[in-house]
Amino acid sequence: DAKTTQPNSMESNEEEPVHLPCNHSTISGTDYIHWYRQLPSQGPEYVIHGLTSNVNNRMASLAIAEDRKSSTLILHRATLRDAAVYYCILRDGGTSYGKLTFGQGTILTVHP
Amino acid sequence: SAVISQKPSRDICQRGTSLTIQCQVDSQVTMMFWYRQQPGQSLTLIATANQGSEATYESGFVIDKFPISRPNLTFSTLTVSNMSPEDSSIYLCSVERVSSTEAFFGQGTRLTVV
Repeated sequence: DAKTTQPNSMESNEEEPVHLPCNHSTISGTDYIHWYRQLPSQGPEYVIHGLTSNVNNRMASLAIAEDRKSSTLILHRATLRDAAVYYCILRDGGTSYGKLTFGQGTILTVHP
Repeated sequence: SAVISQKPSRDICQRGTSLTIQCQVDSQVTMMFWYRQQPGQSLTLIATANQGSEATYESGFVIDKFPISRPNLTFSTLTVSNMSPEDSSIYLCSVERVSSTEAFFGQGTRLTVV
């Protein structure tokens, strides 16, 4: 699996936007970019995924660079409940159902 | 979506004993997986639980240490055998349907071996 690189930690203030970066310079053409987050004492939960175009859902937005070598997860207004570890994961679109290769992720701290 | 129930949620066990963790899903799913999360670390895939056949283990994990059963499409068990303190971790069950791009995780089982 292609690897991703994320900052170890980031901080934000409540109700401000948060941009979580991810580098994946060895991404292949069939790799989807997935984001999961793990709240304290919980299992990971799906946030968003995309292939080439930017994506929006009720939780976040995903901005994908034109060359696909990097992406950014955007939380438009951080809340205290968004404090979690955020994982950027590449998954081959055709073959890797279910198998997720987790990196160390980014620990997001949200200040009131 | 899928609702996953893992039991027990936590346990403290003596070294040399075994613990069986159960994973129950509220609907039929195609794929079931077991992960380990060591203290302060990220998640590592242990194996894919295959219905009606032997599980598929990832490098570094063996059946004798982590036997897995999956008798049907909604249930699986993971046994941690002959435990040592190094087995102290959170063990998580994950499921996914082939038609879906989203994996669902249980709350995890926090195991402490003393």
